Amino acid sequence: DTGVSQNPRHKITKRGQNVTFRCDPISEHNRLYWYRQTLGQGPEFLTYFQNEAQLEKSRLLSDRFSAERPKGSFSTLEIQRTEQGDSAMYLCASSFVLAGVTDTQYFGPGTRLTVL
Amino acid sequence: GDSVTQMEGPVTLSEEAFLTINCTYTATGYPSLFWYVQYPGEGLQLLLKATKADDKGSNKGFEATYRKETTSFHLEKGSVQVSDSAVYFCALTRGSNYKLTFGKGTLLTVNP
Repeated sequence: DTGVSQNPRHKITKRGQNVTFRCDPISEHNRLYWYRQTLGQGPEFLTYFQNEAQLEKSRLLSDRFSAERPKGSFSTLEIQRTEQGDSAMYLCASSFVLAGVTDTQYFGPGTRLTVL
Repeated sequence: GDSVTQMEGPVTLSEEAFLTINCTYTATGYPSLFWYVQYPGEGLQLLLKATKADDKGSNKGFEATYRKETTSFHLEKGSVQVSDSAVYFCALTRGSNYKLTFGKGTLLTVNP
């Protein structure tokens, strides 16, 4: 299967702990996006990468959040000192952009985070 | 900022009924418009899209027309099936970052 994969699928942690999620995009895609979805809401944009460069961060991404995409391949999203309000589904999507024209964003299955 | 408003759910229909899910947007310029679907236990999938005014996106019997004059992109299907039961999200992108702005989603349940 060559779709977007995310690990882990579920994560339960205690408040104050650090967590890290991984996203493996479709291999030829140069754009990678992170979104957060809370219950009853649509996904909200967090950040995106063009290859290894992080080009935009939402104001939703506090300084406890950090994302990386080393070598322009997989990406990690780390949350430090988790809070109960961080409980959500974290979605990763990838796409291919060339000369300002983009292909469809393909989404992974998400990582559901529960902070106790 | 950009925003998308969808009709409140849930929507419950009988098989073969006609479906409309309303979607309106607020954005400057010329956004691209999308409908994504999330089946139970699965990730978001693109259902259809339209990139300019008066374009009609279609897929799997679903259709939506990009109406700039009413800033709308309503989703329609003439005859729904039980397998169409899912959450439907209207979304837009604008600008070179192509980040998606989503509505809150509409849960559709189709009964046999």
